Amino acid sequence: NAGVTQTPKFQVLKTGQSMTLQCAQDMNHNSMYWYRQDPGMGLRLIYYSASEGTTDKGEVPNGYNVSRLNKREFSLRLESAAPSQTSVYFCASSASGSTGELFFGEGSRLTVL
Amino acid sequence: DQQVKQNSPSLSVQEGRISILNCDYTNSMFDYFLWYKKYPAEGPTFLISISSIKDKNEDGRFTVFLNKSAKHLSLHIVPSQPGDSAVYFCAASSFVQVGANNLFFGTGTRLTVIP
Repeated sequence: NAGVTQTPKFQVLKTGQSMTLQCAQDMNHNSMYWYRQDPGMGLRLIYYSASEGTTDKGEVPNGYNVSRLNKREFSLRLESAAPSQTSVYFCASSASGSTGELFFGEGSRLTVL
Repeated sequence: DQQVKQNSPSLSVQEGRISILNCDYTNSMFDYFLWYKKYPAEGPTFLISISSIKDKNEDGRFTVFLNKSAKHLSLHIVPSQPGDSAVYFCAASSFVQVGANNLFFGTGTRLTVIP
């Protein structure tokens, strides 16, 4: 069972470079999310997509863009990376009507120099 | 402002003993609470949840207690096993705004179970 798959798992960028984190889920979930985890900050929501064709900002959207490519895939793009975006990024998905039971990917560790 | 707080960054417990992880919240609109478990280099996984109409929910060795008046919940693990060593995140949401986009996480507590 693949569940939620994220790529790449590790990435090092220089300030100003761009990159896209890819996420795919095979559980036929309608909702998908991107979180970042920083020391002492817990998990913070960057963007989410309640259903195919919709995206909305979360708590910390600045510096990011997202695309819900289809029901399975939800990508996160950093257009001009900054050191403050050094973090571990998690993609997650959930079924419609979920009260918070998310299925997470393994995470992508991004370092911006 | 952190709406869900886990004030203990770490906890060490002997194998076989009880582990108690605590969580406090400030928003009285929260009425559904969850615990997630995270191993290194893996994503968090859902562990157990409780709605505000209950004060206790049990699943095997894991029990979550909710004290609404104190805005406090706790996760009890009995007996603790070395495989329980992980970071535990508390999370809260509101049925009024159903959806995981309204899910707030605590900062996590790292549990170490000593064999």
